[in-house]
Formats: sequence, C-alpha cells, structure tokens
Amino acid sequence: GQNIDQPTEMTATEGAIVQINCTYQTSGFNGLFWYQQHAGEAPTFLSYNVLDGLEEKGRFSSFLSRSKGYSYLLLKELQMKDSASYLCAALDSNYQLIWGAGTKLIIKP
Amino acid sequence: IAGITQAPTSQILAAGRRMTLRCTQDMRHNAMYWYRQDLGLGLRLIHYSNTAGTTGKGEVPDGYSVSRANTDDFPLTLASAVPSQTSVYFCASSDGRAGGANVLTFGAGSRLTVL
Repeated sequence: GQNIDQPTEMTATEGAIVQINCTYQTSGFNGLFWYQQHAGEAPTFLSYNVLDGLEEKGRFSSFLSRSKGYSYLLLKELQMKDSASYLCAALDSNYQLIWGAGTKLIIKP
Repeated sequence: IAGITQAPTSQILAAGRRMTLRCTQDMRHNAMYWYRQDLGLGLRLIHYSNTAGTTGKGEVPDGYSVSRANTDDFPLTLASAVPSQTSVYFCASSDGRAGGANVLTFGAGSRLTVL
C-alpha cells in the first residue's frame, strides 16, 4: 500500500533549527509537497520537490532523496508563529496526492 | 481578497439529515477538490472536478456527492448524514487539472458534527 510517515509531534525552542522528516512509499513518484497548517486554519503551500537535493526559501528549506524515499523540511531561526502542523504529501504515478497525518510543531520561548 | 469561501464554518447535524457544504472560488481555477481531515489521518480526497461539468471520485466518495455547474462553485452534499462523517471538510482548487503537480489553495474549512 501507499504510505507517508512523519512524526506526530515535535518541540523546539524559539531561535533554534528544527528538521521535520517524512518518508514515503508510493506507487511511482512525481514529487513531494510540504504544507503548513496553523490550528483551525487552512493548509498553505510551502514547497514542492521533484528532483534530489535541497531547495531553500528564506528560513525554510526542503530536501528530497528519491532513492531513499525521504524528505525533510528544515526550519531555521524559529519564531513563535512557526507553531503549526506541517503536512507532507507525495504524488504517486497517477498524480494522486498521498498525505501524511502531519507533524505538530510546538515552539517554546 | 482572492481565494476560496466555504460555508458554513461549522454545523451540528442530526444523523439522517441532508447537508450541503458550499464552496466558491474566485481565482478561475480549473480543478476543485473536496477533502476531509480527521485527527491522526492525512487529508483524504472525497471528490474532485477537473473542469465545469465534470466530476470524479476520490479515495472516500461513499455517502457524498458533488456537482460542478460552473467554474466557481463546487458544493458537497451528504444525502443522509451518519456520525462517521463528523470531520473537518476542506475545499481546494488548483490552476491545473487534477492529476498534476499542482499547488492547492484551500478554503478555511467546514467543521461538521453528526450526532
């Protein structure tokens, strides 16, 4: 079956760096998305990776290794507003999105 | 402000009742989607539409129906609600066809409780 695994919850300190991991098992692969979802709000797009490597967007970076079925989202200089759930989603061979359950990130002062 | 409007924001419904969740977008996106989000599970696709006049089934379509009479509106109907349909429902849209590497824009969600 198709599956996305990511940690349920992580805690980090304001100003620090945190890495949220995501492993995927899909029938074929056409890229991986990261979305941010604040409590009670809509998910919003963060990044899309289809090639191996690291893509940086300001304080947020996303990494993909297709051979390992692995991605991570790296958040630097953490701010309180980064407290949210981070959703990992992989596109399978039929371009269907397979979603992880999300990682709730708690930022402490 | 461009985006997706969902209504109602929240609703408590008796089992067996019919309910329609409304979704309107003003971005002229081709594709629209309905997802449900349940605690501990990833978003699950209920139905989608690539363009006005066409719809397709997602991962969990049973008990739900949709229509796409025009580009902007994509209502989701529960014909006879059951408690297992208690969830948060998100409408989304994308510029490309469903079935591509498209960035989704989500509505704010509709929280539905079926008693």
